[in-house]
Amino acid sequence: AQKITQTQPGMFVQEKEAVTLDCTYDTSDPSYGLFWYKQPSSGEMIFLIYQGSYDQQNATEGRYSLNFQKARKSANLVISASQLGDSAMYFCGGGANSKLTFGKGITLSVRP
Amino acid sequence: DSGVTQTPKHLITATGQRVTLRCSPRSGDLSVYWYQQSLDQGLQFLIQYYNGEERAKGNILERFSAQQFPDLHSELNLSSLELGDSALYFCASSLSGTNTGELFFGEGSRLTVL
Repeated sequence: AQKITQTQPGMFVQEKEAVTLDCTYDTSDPSYGLFWYKQPSSGEMIFLIYQGSYDQQNATEGRYSLNFQKARKSANLVISASQLGDSAMYFCGGGANSKLTFGKGITLSVRP
Repeated sequence: DSGVTQTPKHLITATGQRVTLRCSPRSGDLSVYWYQQSLDQGLQFLIQYYNGEERAKGNILERFSAQQFPDLHSELNLSSLELGDSALYFCASSLSGTNTGELFFGEGSRLTVL
């Protein structure tokens, strides 16, 4: 089973700046995936990005990139050029054998 | 719109009662997942069904049960409700099992137990 840890307090970032949201994980599965979701105030869960444990390159999706450091068991989300619409709760998660586990989330607020 | 439909959107009930939450997955998706989101516990995995069969179980209480029907819709039954069961319950679906983490979430059913 995976354990996902998000310990940052609420994060603030100035519009147009980059921000890193931290995530660490622990797993005994030899093959696994890590991912991030965004939950705006409206409540829906929006899939952002995925990284497989054997992927050589860090995943990138538009302004989102996943900084995967296997030795440190971290899977941080980097959002570049923050926008006001990025203000939301962000969940890190991990999965193996179809069982997906989420962290407790972190709130990001983008300041104009 | 994710294509996943959950009903009811909001539900208020009393302690000791029983409720049923319903989920219709995205067309073609065989897997249904249930998650509970509360302020202090974050997003907790409850259970997963694949094509009518239970595939994975998480932190689901014995007072809770779920099933997936032949038409692939799923129901989550919560009984002997306690104040602490107040939460947002999400259903999500995927084509099969997924290791990519990409699930399609419904809008959730917000349960308030008074």
